[in-house]
Amino acid sequence: QQQVKQSPQSLIVQKGGISIINCAYENTAFDYFPWYQQFPGKGPALLIAIRPDVSEKKEGRFTISFNKSAKQFSLHIMDSQPGDSATYFCAAADSWGKLQFGAGTQVVVTP
Amino acid sequence: GAGVSQSPSNKVTEKGKDVELRCDPISGHTALYWYRQRLGQGLEFLIYFQGNSAPDKSGLPSDRFSAERTGESVSTLTIQRTQQEDSAVYLCASSLVSRGYGEQYFGPGTRLTVT
Repeated sequence: QQQVKQSPQSLIVQKGGISIINCAYENTAFDYFPWYQQFPGKGPALLIAIRPDVSEKKEGRFTISFNKSAKQFSLHIMDSQPGDSATYFCAAADSWGKLQFGAGTQVVVTP
Repeated sequence: GAGVSQSPSNKVTEKGKDVELRCDPISGHTALYWYRQRLGQGLEFLIYFQGNSAPDKSGLPSDRFSAERTGESVSTLTIQRTQQEDSAVYLCASSLVSRGYGEQYFGPGTRLTVT
């Protein structure tokens, strides 16, 4: 039973476009929501994270939007670049538990 | 400084054999996690070590899987009597902070193929 549901499974975006990945959760005890980026043959690496006391967090071209009432959060990649082509995982955790990961989204940015 | 390292990077084994996978966490990281990642899928939690506390083994899929960690250093994941469904990339991560909040630093993984 997956506690964090992620969509889409894959997406293709042109260079300069916006990539949007969505995640939803049920456990209201979750209060930490990171996104991890994984390149082929590498382990995932933390990209950006948010706590539910804010509705948005931006770091460079990457933005997390968080909707506590809907129990949804999303990652926006602005001005997507070919180097952003990777698999992105959302995750969630509560103060005592381990991270629960989404199934991942493969992003391909075409030149 | 050195990141999380794992060995071997690739392992091919015959069905029924035992395998041992090794993880060297970042020095000083008290928390250590093992995950399994099947092809094209997300990360499946296996086991979590935090200092000298009893490990959280709730993700181990069967009693063929076990893991050990000595203090805050190396960890080994052992799979006994391997099956073809055990084929996956096994990822190790370590974290400076316990619980779920700490950034997890992942190793490159061990790709296990059971023939």
